[in-house]
Amino acid sequence: DVKVTQSSRYLVKRTGEKVFLECVQDMDHENMFWYRQDPGLGLRLIYFSYDVKMKEKGDIPEGYSVSREKKERFSLILESASTNQTSMYLCASSPAIRASGNYEQYFGPGTRLTVT
Amino acid sequence: QQQVKQSPQSLIVQKGGISIINCAYENTAFDYFPWYQQFPGKGPALLIAIRPDVSEKKEGRFTISFNKSAKQFSLHIMDSQPGDSATYFCAASINTNAGKSTFGDGTTLTVKP
Repeated sequence: DVKVTQSSRYLVKRTGEKVFLECVQDMDHENMFWYRQDPGLGLRLIYFSYDVKMKEKGDIPEGYSVSREKKERFSLILESASTNQTSMYLCASSPAIRASGNYEQYFGPGTRLTVT
Repeated sequence: QQQVKQSPQSLIVQKGGISIINCAYENTAFDYFPWYQQFPGKGPALLIAIRPDVSEKKEGRFTISFNKSAKQFSLHIMDSQPGDSATYFCAASINTNAGKSTFGDGTTLTVKP
């Protein structure tokens, strides 16, 4: 089974802190994604990566950056956390579309981040 | 501009009833339409998916109906069970390198025993 793990289930940080959320997948997937999930707003894409060191902005990239130095690991960085970044953060991975024809995304359990 | 609109936001169904969740999309470039199921404390997981060259796909009690001309698709859960109580997300994906998906806002389904 595909496994996507996220470094923390719960995280509490103070306003202005630099925050790192880590995600690791064990299926050699090319694509990785970071979403935030807020009640009534669904899943909104922050950033995604289709290869090592390659990244693209999603729909709500402001206030976030990402890093993908190794294929299995995708990090989300909040340079200076703010209270409006309190949310559930979900990481996902998927295989290369052209190779597999498979668009399915495999999600981690999420990190609930609270910024006070 | 929201590209995938999902309704209703919440749904309560009696055990054994039919649950229906609807989604509408705008971008005709979408070519893959999955439904994800999410239980509390878990990440979403793929439930069932359809491509636009098919009008219906059935897997057990779950059916997707797809209307390409209307740009709408829906999830039907037959004989709904309390264990189906979860949040359901529709999505639409584009055939790019990453198969980026746009998600609906989600529907919280409660099946009463």
